[in-house]
Amino acid sequence: GENVEQHPSTLSVQEGDSAVIKCTYSDSASNYFPWYKQELGKRPQLIIDIRSNVGEKKDQRIAVTLNKTAKHFSLHITETQPEDSAVYFCAANSLTGDNRLAFGKGNQVVVIP
Amino acid sequence: GAGVSQSPSNKVTEKGKDVELRCDPISGHTALYWYRQSLGQGLEFLIYFQGNSAPDKSGLPSDRFSAERTGGSVSTLTIQRTQQEDSAVYLCASSLGKGATEKLFFGSGTQLSVL
Repeated sequence: GENVEQHPSTLSVQEGDSAVIKCTYSDSASNYFPWYKQELGKRPQLIIDIRSNVGEKKDQRIAVTLNKTAKHFSLHITETQPEDSAVYFCAANSLTGDNRLAFGKGNQVVVIP
Repeated sequence: GAGVSQSPSNKVTEKGKDVELRCDPISGHTALYWYRQSLGQGLEFLIYFQGNSAPDKSGLPSDRFSAERTGGSVSTLTIQRTQQEDSAVYLCASSLGKGATEKLFFGSGTQLSVL
């Protein structure tokens, strides 16, 4: 099945700087790659996703890039703000029978004011 | 309600007891997922329902775990003879479509503590 890994596990950035989180996946057939944000004590929420027919997608201060050849995708957050502090999970779909989204272990992003 | 609802929000139980966790998805969502989140870990997939059917139960960690969904709506996750390693947050999510390429709407989870 699909295996998703995230790096780094923890990332601290100064407010206003950019943050980049990278994920790798194992199944070359995967074609859907979402990012979920989980603030402390809250439920995960989708913030952006990308499908395999595009290489980049942007939504205000966040963007996701996909490199299918290398089987990795990255989340970019520009002009970070304290409210960006959270755990970010990347995921990739599995095209085997169980129809699951396989999640990575998450990245803790801390924005230092 | 407008979102995915899970109950109870917290459950403390003694080792060896059975527990039942409930998930009420968003109305009209045909797909329902159960994930487990242990401290410092990612979201571990447990089981997926399309309607009332679970095509693959291989994500369930042991035969002590079972799940069902009735009427294409409410789902229950049952853990028999709970063990301390079962302590985690159990998250339910639902989505509108059929495939794993739709936005998941998560519930707020059930924090299970096995003493």
